[in-house]
Amino acid sequence: DSGVTQTPKHLITATGQRVTLRCSPRSGDLSVYWYQQSLDQGLQFLIQYYNGEERAKGNILERFSAQQFPDLHSELNLSSLELGDSALYFCASSVDGGLASPLHFGNGTRLTVT
Amino acid sequence: DQQVKQNSPSLSVQEGRISILNCDYTNSMFDYFLWYKKYPAEGPTFLISISSIKDKNEDGRFTVFLNKSAKHLSLHIVPSQPGDSAVYFCAASLYNFNKFYFGSGTKLNVKP
Repeated sequence: DSGVTQTPKHLITATGQRVTLRCSPRSGDLSVYWYQQSLDQGLQFLIQYYNGEERAKGNILERFSAQQFPDLHSELNLSSLELGDSALYFCASSVDGGLASPLHFGNGTRLTVT
Repeated sequence: DQQVKQNSPSLSVQEGRISILNCDYTNSMFDYFLWYKKYPAEGPTFLISISSIKDKNEDGRFTVFLNKSAKHLSLHIVPSQPGDSAVYFCAASLYNFNKFYFGSGTKLNVKP
């Protein structure tokens, strides 16, 4: 158990809809990262938050947004969903985004857009 | 733009033998490298890391080697066990450790 909790585990929705994915980091971790894994692809970095502030941005679409709340949990919002957004979305946390510490991943949310 | 590449999608090894998983990267500014193991329906699990000031790091059956001049990273598992069967991802990050770039993974099958 990595200590990172993601909900829901599965999400099935229709094109054009909006969903919210939730992540609770490990106790004590200040950084939260979001990654997308499409079928048979590697993990694509979306965005990182550190202690409530956006720290780094990757290939995140404009239709996607995220935030980290004062209690350090994070939400990833996906809107105007398209079929190609179907993927596994992972959240990861680390102690400090500025130090060489490994990421610890949750078990992911599998999003299916129909 | 794939900055971290794992060119072997799969690898099959006999139990007890050595498994060698390879990873290449293109950005010479990367200075922290990690290996993750992933089982189906679970998130990636951290295995071992190495910083660019070292060329080898060991943890039990797992050893990571870094060849900076070749921009090449490898993970050795000795001896391989059936429980090691999983997808292995390598990852690299820049000095600020804010972005981690992942390879596409290598599926290891250890046969009993």
